[in-house]
Amino acid sequence: EAGVTQFPSHSVIEKGQTVTLRCDPISGHDNLYWYRRVMGKEIKFLLHFVKESKQDESGMPNNRFLAERTGGTYSTLKVQPAELEDSGVYFCASSQDRGRESYEQYFGPGTRLTVT
Amino acid sequence: LAKTTQPISMDSYEGQEVNITCSHNNIATNDYITWYQQFPSQGPRFIIQGYKTKVTNEVASLFIPADRKSSTLSLPRVSLSDTAVYYCLVGATHNAGNMLTFGGGTRLMVKP
Repeated sequence: EAGVTQFPSHSVIEKGQTVTLRCDPISGHDNLYWYRRVMGKEIKFLLHFVKESKQDESGMPNNRFLAERTGGTYSTLKVQPAELEDSGVYFCASSQDRGRESYEQYFGPGTRLTVT
Repeated sequence: LAKTTQPISMDSYEGQEVNITCSHNNIATNDYITWYQQFPSQGPRFIIQGYKTKVTNEVASLFIPADRKSSTLSLPRVSLSDTAVYYCLVGATHNAGNMLTFGGGTRLMVKP
C-alpha cells in the first residue's frame, strides 16, 4: 500500500512569489492534516480536512495560506505571497476515521520550503 | 492542552533497553497518550498509543501509572536504526478532529 506522498520534496522561491504544495493521502483515508515545522521550532498543526470539508483550520497562520481538497482526495496548500518566515518543512498526514480516541496518523516525508 | 515534558536527549548502546519518560501533569480525563518516532528527512511515524496501565506492540511498550501524570516508552534491545527523535503527545481532543500537538521530543542516539 502506498503511503502519503508529497510534492515537491523541496522548493526554493523568492519572497513575494507563490508556491503550491501537494499532498496525496493514503487511499481511503478521509482525514487529511497539514502541519509545519519552521526553523528551530516544534511541529505545529495547520489544518484538518474530513473528505473535502475543512474541519479545523485554527492553525493556519494568516490569509496568505490557502488549503484545498477538491473531491476529497489530494490536497494542496498554497502560500501567496510567500514571506521569509514561511520557510520550513510542511508535513501532510492522513488517517482513517477511527473516532476521537485514535491518534494514529500517517505522515508524508514533507516538503522543505525555502523562501529567499 | 496538556503540556508534555521529556528529556531533550538520551544516549544508549546497541542491545540495551531504552526507557523514555514523559511528564504530563495536566492530562485530561479524555486524553490519550501517543508516541511518535521521527527519522531525519522523514515525517513522524506512529509507534504506540495508550490510555492507562500497559500497552505492548511489536515495536515498543508503553507504561502508564494509575495517576496518568507520566508515561514511559520502552524500546527493547535497541539497534543503531532506532536513532531518532521520539515525541510524547497527549491527545489534544478538539471539536471534530484529532490534531496532534508536538513538543520538542527526545533525541535518542544509539551507539555501537
